[in-house]
Amino acid sequence: DADVTQTPRNRITKTGKRIMLECSQTKGHDRMYWYRQDPGLGLRLIYYSFDVKDINKGEISDGYSVSRQAQAKFSLSLESAIPNQTALYFCATSVREGQDTQYFGPGTRLTVL
Amino acid sequence: QQQVKQSPQSLIVQKGGISIINCAYENTAFDYFPWYQQFPGKGPALLIAIRPDVSEKKEGRFTISFNKSAKQFSLHIMDSQPGDSATYFCAAPSGGYQKVTFGTGTKLQVIP
Repeated sequence: DADVTQTPRNRITKTGKRIMLECSQTKGHDRMYWYRQDPGLGLRLIYYSFDVKDINKGEISDGYSVSRQAQAKFSLSLESAIPNQTALYFCATSVREGQDTQYFGPGTRLTVL
Repeated sequence: QQQVKQSPQSLIVQKGGISIINCAYENTAFDYFPWYQQFPGKGPALLIAIRPDVSEKKEGRFTISFNKSAKQFSLHIMDSQPGDSATYFCAAPSGGYQKVTFGTGTKLQVIP
């Protein structure tokens, strides 16, 4: 079984709809991250969490919110989806902060029409 | 905010050739520079990383070269194989070392 799972894997939605992307991990890591990937822009950090009570904005948090329901679960929400949020979204975990390996999920491909 | 500049954006190499991807960073008080490899339909996975006590690290056909004074590091793939075709991301620590900033990625295609 995969250590970091994401649901759904693909989602097509319409402008203005609320969308939630979910991430679960069995690695026992405290640190979790949400990234979005766009061609030519690489991976950009949306939000990160170092434990259930600690949530921080990344470089592109506008239009997104997150919830850390438990050590193993970290959800990303788009309150009112817009077309420029069409992207590939990745959840990741790590044992420690920046100088440690990040373990990525398989990604969610989101299309906003 | 750390900036990481990665080049080239895409690269085509013949089987058996050497693939070279370069990254430049701005500032870091600590040195930890990982490279991630991503195959289509998959999430990125750590390929190789270098820490401050060495200027070069080799793992099989993959080598990181690190130039601290120039604030640059590069990934060399020797004897490139079609199975190496993937997107490669460099990264550098940022945000007081709480997270990493990724480069923009290099799509490598190794042709037979």
